[in-house]
Amino acid sequence: GAVVSQHPSWVICKSGTSVKIECRSLDFQATTMFWYRQFPKQSLMLMATSNEGSKATYEQGVEKDKFLINHASLTLSTLTVTSAHPEDSSFYICSASEPYEQYFGPGTRLTVT
Amino acid sequence: AQKVTQAQTEISVVEKEDVTLDCVYETRDTTYYLFWYKQPPSGELVFLIRRNSFDEQNEISGRYSWNFQKSTSSFNFTITASQVVDSAVYFCALSEAGYSSASKIIFGSGTRLSIRP
Repeated sequence: GAVVSQHPSWVICKSGTSVKIECRSLDFQATTMFWYRQFPKQSLMLMATSNEGSKATYEQGVEKDKFLINHASLTLSTLTVTSAHPEDSSFYICSASEPYEQYFGPGTRLTVT
Repeated sequence: AQKVTQAQTEISVVEKEDVTLDCVYETRDTTYYLFWYKQPPSGELVFLIRRNSFDEQNEISGRYSWNFQKSTSSFNFTITASQVVDSAVYFCALSEAGYSSASKIIFGSGTRLSIRP
């Protein structure tokens, strides 16, 4: 099956700094990528849908100026958490789509101190 | 609006027991897909099954089986002869009508399954 990678797998940053998370489809081209957030012991909540070459579509309640998404190529989407705060600490998971299938990345655990 | 409900927050059984995880969904679409994912402690989602709304046949894969009933909007998952390695959080999920590469997936709240030796 298709493989989706995320980098880094975990990151610790200080409050007020920005952190970038990469999502790559390794062996297929993904016109659409999705970003999810999962707080401890909770479900996955969709944050945004990212289409290559266009602006991301954010779900209601997600601050687009805080969570910057860039989908510059068919194999790479990035999520930048700007001015991170402890409440942004979470598990971030991306998924990448090829026709009729979605594949999930392994996730990135972000801890903001 | 689309919604997935997993009423069982946590289940604990002794190894070799059978266990059923319930999933009830809501959608106005006539065409949709249902999924089950496993999330072990590592966090990585493991795809288990996808079922489209027009296929109500039950599915069996080894110790796993799924029962899809449109009449009750349920898509239940049964593990037969459970093993300790089955311990994980299991998510039921639903995708929007006309499932394609661009359809977002809506997840239930998950059921934490613990298998005791």
